[in-house]
This record gives sequence, structure tokens and C-alpha cells, in this order.
Amino acid sequence: QKEVEQNSGPLSVPEGAIASLNCTYSDRGSQSFFWYRQYSGKSPELIMFIYSNGDKEDGRFTAQLNKASQYVSLLIRDSQPSDSATYLCAVNWGFGNEKLTFGTGTRLTIIP
Amino acid sequence: DVKVTQSSRYLVKRTGEKVFLECVQDMDHENMFWYRQDPGLGLRLIYFSYDVKMKEKGDIPEGYSVSREKKERFSLILESASTNQTSMYLCASTGPSNTEAFFGQGTRLTVV
Repeated sequence: QKEVEQNSGPLSVPEGAIASLNCTYSDRGSQSFFWYRQYSGKSPELIMFIYSNGDKEDGRFTAQLNKASQYVSLLIRDSQPSDSATYLCAVNWGFGNEKLTFGTGTRLTIIP
Repeated sequence: DVKVTQSSRYLVKRTGEKVFLECVQDMDHENMFWYRQDPGLGLRLIYFSYDVKMKEKGDIPEGYSVSREKKERFSLILESASTNQTSMYLCASTGPSNTEAFFGQGTRLTVV
């Protein structure tokens, strides 16, 4: 069974610091990778997606993908209390294969 | 504004009952998914559908079935509800490029 692994946390980061969230996946053939944010009691919402090796930046968020190491990460710069949430990593196993598999999520708390 | 709507926010059912969870999306998306979310286990895929009348088993299909008679509607059926099916159920849909999954608000099902 294809797996997506995340450290469940909780991860505590001071306000203004960089939060680093990590995810590994089991299938080398995986094609697309997603980070979702889920506030308590709410549904997940997409933050970023990445397909190619390297970094992708969007505002305070940077996604990093290393397919050789089967590793994807999310960096949050200048962390804010509003960033406190559970972050879910998701992997699509291939173009044309529409099955999206999620990790268990990392709970992030930003300390004011 | 894109919308995925689940028929109920909260449900309480008795053991052995047949339970229907309904999901409707208004984005003309091909792909629809049913997940359940439990503490410490993350989002687990129950079933997904990539076209009308087409369905694929996810990682935990036992005790569930699905129906997709129209493109916009994807139903999850619990044939005979059991207490271990008490959970949060999330419906999602994605378009052909699969770049973003849009989630419904979730149905918290309690089986007593």
C-alpha cells in the first residue's frame, strides 16, 4: 500500500520564526504533491501544490520537493498565530491516476 | 464560488441502520471522493469515482458502498451501520488536472 508519512507533532514555533513541516512518501512514481491546511472543526483547504523538483514559493509559504529522496516539505516564514492548524500532506500517485492519498497531518502551534 | 455540499452536518444513527450520506458539487468535476477522518489516523480514502457510474475502492472500503448516477452527486452508503463507523466523513471533488481538491463541510456521524 502506498504510504504518506508525517510527524504528527505537535510542533510549536514562536511567532515570527520559520515553521518547517516534513512529509515522505513511498512510491517513486508519484507525480504531484499537495499541502492542505485544516483548522479545528473545519475542512481541509489547499495551500500549495508542487510537481517538479526544487522550491516553489507563494507569499510566506515555500514548498520543497526532492523526488530522489521521496521527500516534500513546507516552510512557513514569519509564522503568525493564524497559522496554527493541522497541515496535511497529500500525494497523487500519477497523472491519470486520480487517487489522492493523505498523510496523518502535523499539528502546528504558533506561540505569540 | 466553488461549492461541495454535504447533506448533513451531524447525524446520529442506530446500529444496523442503513445510512446515506450525500454530496453534491457544482464545479462539473469528474472526480469525487469519500474520506473518513479519525484522530491520529488522518484522512483515509473509502471510495472514489472518476466518472458517472464508475467507482474505485479506496483504502478502507469494507462496510461501505457508493453510488454515482449523476456527475454532480456522489453518495456514500453504510449498508448496516456499526459503532466503529462513528467518524467525520468528508467528500471532495477535483477537476481533470487534479490540482486542487475541494472539500465539503463534513458530516459527523455517530452510530449508537
